[in-house]
Amino acid sequence: GAGVSQSPSNKVTEKGKDVELRCDPISGHTALYWYRQSLGQGLEFLIYFQGNSAPDKSGLPSDRFSAERTGGSVSTLTIQRTQQEDSAVYLCASTGTRNYGYTFGSGTRLTVV
Amino acid sequence: SQQGEEDPQALSIQEGENATMNCSYKTSINNLQWYRQNSGRGLVHLILIRSNEREKHSGRLRVTLDTSKKSSSLLITASRAADTASYFCATDGRDSSYKLIFGSGTRLLVRP
Repeated sequence: GAGVSQSPSNKVTEKGKDVELRCDPISGHTALYWYRQSLGQGLEFLIYFQGNSAPDKSGLPSDRFSAERTGGSVSTLTIQRTQQEDSAVYLCASTGTRNYGYTFGSGTRLTVV
Repeated sequence: SQQGEEDPQALSIQEGENATMNCSYKTSINNLQWYRQNSGRGLVHLILIRSNEREKHSGRLRVTLDTSKKSSSLLITASRAADTASYFCATDGRDSSYKLIFGSGTRLLVRP
């Protein structure tokens, strides 16, 4: 597609429920990233996929967070047993090669009540 | 952990004035990038400067990089109300896989 697409754009969930966030990167982009941004804060790196390499999961805050990327394209970020502190905007980005900027999606605003 | 730290945290200027934002970082980098964010959603890539470059221009934007001081600055000339946004620097660490580490951002308000 023309840009990075994320869905849903907004998600309200009850504490303890599982949620899945989806990212559809730009076609042909081999690198895909998930970041989290709390209100008024900077971006916190979560996970990075590059081609067929093992993902860099070093930013995942707990084992309740996981992500997969199927067929080198669409990615799903799953948060199990959501907590109120998981409330944030989750941003996905993709890029083709190093030394090029990222293209970000519009994000999913997650609210845990 | 955040690699880049922007200064100031917030900046308010009159339309037509220039805006300067600074970024400091800690480790050696491959490149440094600046992004703009409106309304707390997706970020837009503005400019990338490589570690062997000292200055780069794009329209009304001018970016400098001083690797000896581990700092960068973003200058927006002749600001417009539409420039109101948050601006983030992000570093691609030389010793890391290609993942950008973002600073905490500068909130710019351009008053009409």
